[in-house]
Amino acid sequence: EAQLVESGGGLVQPGGSLRLTCVGSGLSFRNVWMHWVRQGPGKGLMWVSRINSDGGDTTYADSVKGRFTISRDNVKNSVYLQMDSLRADDTAVYYCATFSLDSAHWGQGTPVLVSS
Amino acid sequence: DIVMTQSPLSLPVSPGESASISCKSSQSLLHRIGYTYLDWYLQKPGQSPQLLIYLVSNRASGVPDRFSGSGSGTDFTLNISRVEAEDVGVYYCMQSLQTPWTFGQGTKVEIK
Repeated sequence: EAQLVESGGGLVQPGGSLRLTCVGSGLSFRNVWMHWVRQGPGKGLMWVSRINSDGGDTTYADSVKGRFTISRDNVKNSVYLQMDSLRADDTAVYYCATFSLDSAHWGQGTPVLVSS
Repeated sequence: DIVMTQSPLSLPVSPGESASISCKSSQSLLHRIGYTYLDWYLQKPGQSPQLLIYLVSNRASGVPDRFSGSGSGTDFTLNISRVEAEDVGVYYCMQSLQTPWTFGQGTKVEIK
């Protein structure tokens, strides 16, 4: 059974940085595209970013472009989200996920609170 | 960006009754290879989203046959027959035709 476990969330001041980590197990990590999706408090789901299997292709939502960077280490079965210049509206639970045509696997999420 | 619009946003249902959720996209989700990239997710309270339906009408592994999806192009529907207490939560449609992938606002299903 595929499992994704996020970590690295926490409280950060506006303008600060945070690095999220997601470790995958029970799946062929090096062959799957990985995504980050976030959910603000009491809000819906918002896709944030994705990275292809070898890390050479990345895509971002406009609201995070230039501030967030997605990367991966297939030796460590890990995907990362470096978040810089954080704003209050980045406050959310951040999920890593992987999707195929007929399945999807989500982590349990890691909370990020941007506040002074 | 493709805008996904769900209705209703709140849906109280009695156990055993059926429920229907609509999802409309601002442009067709049909890819040239023939797939329509519309999925349905359920987020139960305190949990991560779980896949219910993929490619409009295909039930994901382990999903009861009480759940069914239909539609084409820009109009899609999730039907739940014989709603059970375990079906409560927020239902989302999601398009993965093009980035940014986008979700509907969510429909909160509760038991009367």
